[in-house]
Amino acid sequence: GQQVMQIPQYQHVQEGEDFTTYCNSSTTLSNIQWYKQRPGGHPVFLIQLVKSGEVKKQKRLTFQFGEAKKNSSLHITATQTTDVGTYFCAGPGGYSTLTFGKGTMLLVSP
Amino acid sequence: EAGVTQSPTHLIKTRGQQATLRCSPISGHTSVYWYQQALGLGLQFLLWYDEGEERNRGNFPPRFSGRQFPNYSSELNVNALELEDSALYLCASSLTGGEDTEAFFGQGTRLTVV
Repeated sequence: GQQVMQIPQYQHVQEGEDFTTYCNSSTTLSNIQWYKQRPGGHPVFLIQLVKSGEVKKQKRLTFQFGEAKKNSSLHITATQTTDVGTYFCAGPGGYSTLTFGKGTMLLVSP
Repeated sequence: EAGVTQSPTHLIKTRGQQATLRCSPISGHTSVYWYQQALGLGLQFLLWYDEGEERNRGNFPPRFSGRQFPNYSSELNVNALELEDSALYLCASSLTGGEDTEAFFGQGTRLTVV
């Protein structure tokens, strides 16, 4: 089935530094979604990208969908301790299901 | 508006026993998805129910089963529990089934098999 690979698995930054996580697929994706899961919490939807080359911003978060619709990235500018958590990308998994990447765990030190 | 609710929050079972997990979707949502989140493995798709029918299942053995009730709530049953079944089980609902619809997750049930 469809798989999405996510890197890095883990990143530890100092508060104020930038952070980027990448999501890659071997096949073209009709759309890609991003979720955030705080420690001890559940995944929460952040955004969905649909168009080739699409870029969307949410305050300090910038989401991109590649031109070939096979990759995506989430970039956080000037991280804060509230950004701590695991960020997942999710793509179509076939027959109306989502396939999630393994996530990137972000740790931010004050 | 109430979100997706799951019960129980925590469940401890002995190997070989059966576990039943419950999920109530957001009002108006007809699709319910179950995911297993084991340490280091991300979210693994288990089952999808829509309009009372099982629409798809992931790569899990038949001892993982479930159902959806007329009010769209859902139950996940795990028979003959194994130690490796210890994980966070997440339920998500969406307005309709689809790969392009936002999924709303519940807080999960932490199942521990000892």
